[in-house]
Amino acid sequence: GAGVSQSPRYKVAKRGQDVALRCDPISGHVSLFWYQQALGQGPEFLTYFQNEAQLDKSGLPSDRFFAERPEGSVSTLKIQRTQQEDSAVYLCASSGTISGNQPQHFGDGTRLSIL
Amino acid sequence: AQTVTQSQPEMSVQEAETVTLSCTYDTSESDYYLFWYKQPPSRQMILVIRQEAYKQQNATENRFSVNFQKAAKSFSLKISDSQLGDAAMYFCAYRGPNYGGSQGNLIFGKGTKLSVKP
Repeated sequence: GAGVSQSPRYKVAKRGQDVALRCDPISGHVSLFWYQQALGQGPEFLTYFQNEAQLDKSGLPSDRFFAERPEGSVSTLKIQRTQQEDSAVYLCASSGTISGNQPQHFGDGTRLSIL
Repeated sequence: AQTVTQSQPEMSVQEAETVTLSCTYDTSESDYYLFWYKQPPSRQMILVIRQEAYKQQNATENRFSVNFQKAAKSFSLKISDSQLGDAAMYFCAYRGPNYGGSQGNLIFGKGTKLSVKP
């Protein structure tokens, strides 16, 4: 596609439910990042994929958070047993290479609200 | 650990005037990358401008330019001839070098909300 696509755009869930957020990166992009953006804050890194390999998951806040990219393209961020503090915008970004000179292209994000 | 600080939570500028947004960062690396992103209410992060630390020349993209002071670890964004469409949140971001285990994730500041008055 022309840009990074994320779905759903909005997600409302009850505390304790599991949710899955999808990211469809720009075709051919090697690197894929997930960020969490709390209200009024800058995005914070969650996890990084290079193709299908998850090379860094140091930013995942707890073991309730799980991400995968099985075929090196679409990625899914899953949150189990959601808590109110999980409410945030989840941004996905992709980059064509691992070079620092290549910018990260962001999707519109998924706004997750936990009731 | 690297940090990025934006000390201006909000800024306001008159249409057609110039405004400067401040950003400082902390790192022990000598090779890195700096970015300014714009985030309108639609939420999509849009790259405004980028700077490689090894380049002494300040980056410029049309009405947007930076003042990169490596020794002071300062990276300010100047917007000239401000337009109504420039109103948004602006985030300064740091990316470490390609070596040393850095995976390329961005470290963001807390952002500056820019308002443009007609």
